Amino acid sequence: GENVEQHPSTLSVQEGDSAVIKCTYSDSASNYFPWYKQELGKRPQLIIDIRSNVGEKKDQRIAVTLNKTAKHFSLHITETQPEDSAVYFCAVSSGGSYIPTFGRGTSLIVHP
Amino acid sequence: ETGVTQTPRHLVMGMTNKKSLKCEQHLGHNAMYWYKQSAKKPLELMFVYNFKEQTENNSVPSRFSPECPNSSHLFLHLHTLQPEDSALYLCASSQRLAGEGNEQFFGPGTRLTVL
Repeated sequence: GENVEQHPSTLSVQEGDSAVIKCTYSDSASNYFPWYKQELGKRPQLIIDIRSNVGEKKDQRIAVTLNKTAKHFSLHITETQPEDSAVYFCAVSSGGSYIPTFGRGTSLIVHP
Repeated sequence: ETGVTQTPRHLVMGMTNKKSLKCEQHLGHNAMYWYKQSAKKPLELMFVYNFKEQTENNSVPSRFSPECPNSSHLFLHLHTLQPEDSALYLCASSQRLAGEGNEQFFGPGTRLTVL
């Protein structure tokens, strides 16, 4: 089955800095890569996703890049703000098996 | 309330109790999911329903029994649970299982404690 590794497990940055979280996967047939943000005590919320036919997608301060050859994708947050503090999860699924496999999560702490 | 709702939000039960978790989605989606979220572990998919039919049982113990009476409602019936079943149980829905429209929207979860 799919194996998803997410790093780092904890990331601490100063307000205004950039943050990068990376996920690697094992199944070359994987074609859908969402990122979720989960604030303390709240539900996971989809913040951005990318499909395998594109290499990069941006939405204001967040972006996701995909390298299918190397089988990794990354979440980039620029100009971080304290309200970006949360746990971020990556997930991977393929057209053949639509069951998503989640990473273990990254706890992002943005210090004011 | 719009989106995906879950009740109850918190539940404490003994190992011999029987209880049910309820999920309702107001998004007109066709697929619904149950997940288990434990501390320091990845989200674990438990069950998937598509157009009311179960399409996936991810090796879940029989003490968890799902029910999907229609595309908008999903239940998780619990009986003779173990303390290690204590976790946050999340429901999610999506328009479809794969391809465009497979983005999942989560409910707020039920925090379950088994004594």
